[in-house]
Amino acid sequence: EAQVTQNPRYLITVTGKKLTVTCSQNMNHEYMSWYRQDPGLGLRQIYYSMNVEVTDKGDVPEGYKVSRKEKRNFPLILESPSPNQTSLYFCASRTGLNQPQHFGDGTRLSIL
Amino acid sequence: AQTVTQSQPEMSVQEAETVTLSCTYDTSENNYYLFWYKQPRSRQMILVIRQEAYKQQNATENRFSVNFQKAAKSFSLKISDSQLGDTAMYFCAFMKHEGSRDLFFGTGTRLTVIP
Repeated sequence: EAQVTQNPRYLITVTGKKLTVTCSQNMNHEYMSWYRQDPGLGLRQIYYSMNVEVTDKGDVPEGYKVSRKEKRNFPLILESPSPNQTSLYFCASRTGLNQPQHFGDGTRLSIL
Repeated sequence: AQTVTQSQPEMSVQEAETVTLSCTYDTSENNYYLFWYKQPRSRQMILVIRQEAYKQQNATENRFSVNFQKAAKSFSLKISDSQLGDTAMYFCAFMKHEGSRDLFFGTGTRLTVIP
C-alpha cells in the first residue's frame, strides 16, 4: 500500500530536549516536505527536499533541521524545542512537479 | 510570493443541500495548479479536486466541482447533495507550474453538515 508514515503520532516533551519526527514514504517519490498546521494559519511549509541531499527552507524554517540521506526518509529535527513549536506536523511526498501530494497522518507535538 | 485567502472560517449546510466554499489567490504566474483538500477529524489530508490553470473547463469529481475564474483569481468549491461525511476542514492550495516549491495553503474553512 502506498503511504507516507510519520512517527510518533503524538509526543509531549519539555523545552530544550532534542527530538526527531521520522517520515518515510514507499512510493519512490523525489519530493518531500514538512508542514506545520496551526489554528487560523492553515498549513505552512517548514522545509522541502527535491531529492537526496537536496533540501531548502520553506516559509517557517526557524528552529528546525532536516536531512535527506535516503530517498525514502525525511526526518524533521528539533534541536532545542520551544513552546511555540507546539503544533500539528505533516510530512508529504510527491513524484515530479505539479503532482498531488500524499500526506502522512500527522504528528501532534506538545512542547511544555 | 503567492497568497491564498479563504474568507469563510466556518460554514454550515443542511444535509442534501448545496454549499460553496470560496477561495481567492494572488500570483503573477500564468501556469499553476489549484487544489482543494479535505481534513476530517481524523486529521488526514485528503485530496478532493485539482484544477490546472491552463484548462478552461472546470474540474469535477462526483459531487464536488469547482468554479475557476482565472482573471478574478478565484477558485471556489461546490459540494452538491451534502452528506454528513463531508463535515471537515477544507483547505484551498496553490502550486506553481514550474518550480520546486510545494503547496501554499489557505487558512481553511470548517464545514459542518447538519442532519
